Amino acid sequence: NAGVTQTPKFRVLKTGQSMTLLCAQDMNHEYMYWYRQDPGMGLRLIHYSVGEGTTAKGEVPDGYNVSRLKKQNFLLGLESAAPSQTSVYFCAIGRYSGYTFGSGTRLTVV
Amino acid sequence: DAKTTQPPSMDCAEGRAANLPCNHSTISGNEYVYWYRQIHSQGPQYIIHGLKNNETNEMASLIITEDRKSSTLILPHATLRDTAVYYCIVPSGNTGKLIFGQGTTLQVKP
Repeated sequence: NAGVTQTPKFRVLKTGQSMTLLCAQDMNHEYMYWYRQDPGMGLRLIHYSVGEGTTAKGEVPDGYNVSRLKKQNFLLGLESAAPSQTSVYFCAIGRYSGYTFGSGTRLTVV
Repeated sequence: DAKTTQPPSMDCAEGRAANLPCNHSTISGNEYVYWYRQIHSQGPQYIIHGLKNNETNEMASLIITEDRKSSTLILPHATLRDTAVYYCIVPSGNTGKLIFGQGTTLQVKP
């Protein structure tokens, strides 16, 4: 998935710990998105950004915060992780000419 | 946001054409239809998109009905590697948000 890099790829957290997921792009897109995918389900939108310094809530924003201080980076934060946040997290970029997804971050909260 | 409806699963014989239908009866005049697929838990992969005319690329063909209320993704010669979940999506007009449904699980059989 050239152009979109997600870090880390895997992480195990204890309940109550915090962490930040990074999405970095080199395609100069204005639009960036964070999704989560639970087993057997489609992707659900957490937060998105339509440009540097802007963020907005998606379908399932509770328990997450985001920041877009630089155009190329979109950060997803979990302030106090809960087992319900165990999921695979995908970042996406793009708009009119199509969307590119990252390879995902597998997060387990125990 | 335009809602899409797809059959939950389909089978196809290897080497035959796979025709995946999608209903999007509430689509508005300037909204595109996008098709993505997801293999195992990898990031969704772009296949094709269109507005009103039929489209073809190296991966697939997209047939959109004249009233734009439905479309069909055609994989002309399905292979075992085409086994995946296929999503038909109409991005939100204002924000470009992709709202994923359950998609169609395509099983290509030898």
